[in-house]
Amino acid sequence: AQSVAQPEDQVNVAEGNPLTVKCTYSVSGNPYLFWYVQYPNRGLQFLLKYITGDNLVKGSYGFEAEFNKSQTSFHLKKPSALVSDSALYFCAGAERGNQFYFGTGTSLTVIP
Amino acid sequence: EAQVTQNPRYLITVTGKKLTVTCSQNMNHEYMSWYRQDPGLGLRQIYYSMNVEVTDKGDVPEGYKVSRKEKRNFPLILESPSPNQTSLYFCASKTQGAWNEQYFGPGTRLTVT
Repeated sequence: AQSVAQPEDQVNVAEGNPLTVKCTYSVSGNPYLFWYVQYPNRGLQFLLKYITGDNLVKGSYGFEAEFNKSQTSFHLKKPSALVSDSALYFCAGAERGNQFYFGTGTSLTVIP
Repeated sequence: EAQVTQNPRYLITVTGKKLTVTCSQNMNHEYMSWYRQDPGLGLRQIYYSMNVEVTDKGDVPEGYKVSRKEKRNFPLILESPSPNQTSLYFCASKTQGAWNEQYFGPGTRLTVT
């Protein structure tokens, strides 16, 4: 079965430090992988995606993600965290049939 | 402004009383989908539609119905709501192709007592 896992419910990081939010996937064939962010009382917003090609993907608000096929991971990263990055982050995967699988979400808190 | 709208945003109802949550997008997207978000479970796909008159079940379709009579609208119908359908619901749309990102509505918080 296709699935996406986010092993950490909560990540805390100090402002200015690098941040990583982890995601692993189990999707057959060539995966399409996405990161979305959800701010309180809002819908999800797209951050970035991996389709094929370069394993380092750059997205909105200074975020990037590294696709690692051997470790089946797609971790979200940012070199220097901002307090405004505090939000709920979701990793998602898709298969050819347009059915999507979301992780359980990771709550990121950036401490001033 | 390109957007996905949902109505109502908040709804409290009683067990067994039929309800419809509307979803509309103005981006001419072929694909639309419904999700429910529950603590500890993330988002789970209920139904999706790849075009008008084409709908498919997601992971948790039981107790829900959908229809896609027009490209812009994709209502979610709960014919006999139960308390276990209390949740936060999101509608989303995108252009065709599994590699394209989704645009999400603001959410509908449903409470079934």
